[in-house]
Formats: sequence, structure tokens, C-alpha cells
Amino acid sequence: GAGVSQSPRYKVAKRGQDVALRCDPISGHVSLFWYQQALGQGPEFLTYFQNEAQLDKSGLPSDRFFAERPEGSVSTLKIQRTQQEDSAVYLCASSLGSGGGGYTFGSGTRLTVV
Amino acid sequence: DAKTTQPNSMESNEEEPVHLPCNHSTISGTDYIHWYRQLPSQGPEYVIHGLTSNVNNRMASLAIAEDRKSSTLILHRATLRDAAVYYCILRDVFANRDDKIIFGKGTRLHILP
Repeated sequence: GAGVSQSPRYKVAKRGQDVALRCDPISGHVSLFWYQQALGQGPEFLTYFQNEAQLDKSGLPSDRFFAERPEGSVSTLKIQRTQQEDSAVYLCASSLGSGGGGYTFGSGTRLTVV
Repeated sequence: DAKTTQPNSMESNEEEPVHLPCNHSTISGTDYIHWYRQLPSQGPEYVIHGLTSNVNNRMASLAIAEDRKSSTLILHRATLRDAAVYYCILRDVFANRDDKIIFGKGTRLHILP
């Protein structure tokens, strides 16, 4: 498609449940980013891939968070044993990877942990 | 990424110009100034970027101070659809590969009909 696609759009999880969030970047985009956005705050960086290589995961808040991009295109953000503080919008962005250009963001997945 | 400072919120009347300021007093000589905006229930959207000279595109204009320590995003004729959070961000022009964007809290722009 023309943009970055994220699914599901909304996810309600019971505390302790595992969730998987999917990101389909723009075809041919080398770089892929995941961000977490709490209500009323700016997006917070989680992790970054260049093709299939995870170059930066410094923003992942705990070892319950895991991201992968095995074939350098689609990426999955997995959260194990969800907690209420994980409730947020999870945003995915992609770009060509040449540095300096703009990034294209998806509309995000809103995760609510009850 | 170097730090930027923006007002928390601004208001403007519909069909009037809007000037959104950003201070970046610690900007380095190799930093581009980027602007993104985030409409309600959407991801951030790239608006414009510049280095030294003023820039124009179909969405907005970017005016950069001569000392580069501040910049202003200009919406020439605001519409209700421009109500969003606007983020001012610095990125290294010599980056030969992508790096993470660090978002601040941005400026929430309210448009009054």
C-alpha cells in the first residue's frame, strides 16, 4: 500500500496476556521504528531496525517487550505478560534509510490493558 | 538530537495565519530543523524541514533565524483541519543512515471557527 499499515487498530488485553502488534512498512523502506505514546505525551522511541538488523533497542522499557523484523519488511512488536502501564498507542514509522529525510508513520495501535 | 523548546499550546482563528515558534539555542552547525504534526488519532506527519534558508512547500513555510537558534513554522491560512500537535525536531545533516527522532511535547494548536 501507499502508507505504513498497522494492525490491529485497537487491542484490549487482560493483564498478564501476551499481545503482538504488526507493522507493514512502505515497500522498499529500509528503516523501521517503533514508538510508544502515552495519553497527552509525545511519542517515545522504543526500537529501530535497518532491514532485518535491530540496531537500537535502547527504548524498550523492559524485557517483556520484544520486536522482530525477520525478513526486513514486516515487523512485530510483542509484549509479554501485559501490565496496565503498557496501555498506550504504539506507532510504527518507516523511511528509505538514507538519512536526513522524513519518516512516514502509521496510525498506530491503541492498546488498553484491563 | 539537540533539545528544542516550544510553547505548550496556541490558539488561532480560522483563515488567519499561524506562527508556531521553536527555540533551539544549542543547535549545531550540522543540524536540520524538522517539523512534524500529529492530528487527533493519527500518527505524526512530516511537514517541512530546512537548514539555513527559509523553505516553502504546499503545507507550510519555515522561517529560520539568521543565527539558527530559533525557527517559526508558518501556516498561511489556518483551517480547522490544521488543529494538531506540532513538533519541532533537530536532526544531523551528516547522518548517513537513519536515526531515531526524539519528540518533545510539542505545541497543541487550537483553531477557533
